[in-house]
Amino acid sequence: DQQVKQNSPSLSVQEGRISILNCDYTNSMFDYFLWYKKYPAEGPTFLISISSIKDKNEDGRFTVFLNKSAKHLSLHIVPSQPGDSAVYFCAASAYAGGTSYGKLTFGQGTILTVHP
Amino acid sequence: DTEVTQTPKHLVMGMTNKKSLKCEQHMGHRAMYWYKQKAKKPPELMFVYSYEKLSINESVPSRFSPECPNSSLLNLHLHALQPEDSALYLCASSQRTGIRSGNTIYFGEGSWLTVV
Repeated sequence: DQQVKQNSPSLSVQEGRISILNCDYTNSMFDYFLWYKKYPAEGPTFLISISSIKDKNEDGRFTVFLNKSAKHLSLHIVPSQPGDSAVYFCAASAYAGGTSYGKLTFGQGTILTVHP
Repeated sequence: DTEVTQTPKHLVMGMTNKKSLKCEQHMGHRAMYWYKQKAKKPPELMFVYSYEKLSINESVPSRFSPECPNSSLLNLHLHALQPEDSALYLCASSQRTGIRSGNTIYFGEGSWLTVV
């Protein structure tokens, strides 16, 4: 049962344009969402996150949008740069109120390629 | 400083060998994690330590044995592994369990394990 899904295995974008990476989830208990970027042979690097009480969070070129009713989030990168080429993972966490939980559930990842 | 350091970066071991992976963080984080990542797959949680105590074991085979000697160190002892255990092993840490705003998981670069 895949609770976090990234349905696009890959995305190709021209430098300077917008990259939009999508993520869907099924578990309504998820209340915190993160995006990680991963280069080959390296560990995931934290990019940006959003709590379920918000619908948008922005950090520089990166903006994450959350649509709770649709159980959908997206990462926008504007403008895209060749150095952004990597695998992007969406991840979600459920905080079982009163019980600390340390589990991140990851999507399958989307390979972003930004062409010069 | 959001650094999680893992050693060794690469390890080749036979099925009868005993080896260990090591992880260190000096961010004062009290939650530490082991994840396993196979090629083209998302990271999968193996273990969570909270305040040096094992709090989550995701039904990992006993040939993987975690150890948390102190709040900065996390080891993964390996014994009698199978070739299918070959993967990237990621260590991560966060201030505490309960992933939410202000408490993000940071990953190390990983240890590439090959079992022959």
